[in-house]
Amino acid sequence: EDKVVQSPLSLVVHEGDTVTLNCSYEVTNFRSLLWYKQEKKAPTFLFMLTSSGIEKKSGRLSSILDKKELFSILNITATQTGDSAIYLCAAANAGGTSYGKLTFGQGTILTVHP
Amino acid sequence: DTEVTQTPKHLVMGMTNKKSLKCEQHMGHRAMYWYKQKAKKPPELMFVYSYEKLSINESVPSRFSPECPNSSLLNLHLHALQPEDSALYLCASSQGFPGFATNEKLFFGSGTQLSVL
Repeated sequence: EDKVVQSPLSLVVHEGDTVTLNCSYEVTNFRSLLWYKQEKKAPTFLFMLTSSGIEKKSGRLSSILDKKELFSILNITATQTGDSAIYLCAAANAGGTSYGKLTFGQGTILTVHP
Repeated sequence: DTEVTQTPKHLVMGMTNKKSLKCEQHMGHRAMYWYKQKAKKPPELMFVYSYEKLSINESVPSRFSPECPNSSLLNLHLHALQPEDSALYLCASSQGFPGFATNEKLFFGSGTQLSVL
């Protein structure tokens, strides 16, 4: 059975801090690792990682994948109160299908205090 | 347009009611999904439609009935629900072209918050 585990489950920091969120996975026929941010309702896409060791960056957020050790990290530097959200990690099973088969982790609840 | 639109945003229904959730996208995506999310839990896959055909049913009870009238629309018909079915119901879509890794990049709607009394 495919499994994705995130840590920590919750994190409280102050504005300006740097945070690292962790995601480990065990997925048959792994193809990609995705990060989503969920503030109130809709999870919004952050990153999709398919290759090991290549960092993806978007502003203060960055992410990297290690396919040998089966994990990914999401870094957020200079955190702001607007970064407060649930961060979801999902691993995709490549089945040669025309749809995505994602297994989600439990999420990390990030709270950034002013 | 990179939006997935869901209606209604909130729904309260009794256990004997029949209601429907609606989802629409105009990104040309050919895969559409229904997820259920309980508070402080990750989304759980319910159904996947690929090219308007039901591809995955994750052993969902028959009181949930999905329908894909065309490539842009996805409905979820609800009948005789139980209070434990109260949750956020998320619709998503992805490109859906066979063999493309971008099939795994899901675009989510804002969800319907459902309460069953």
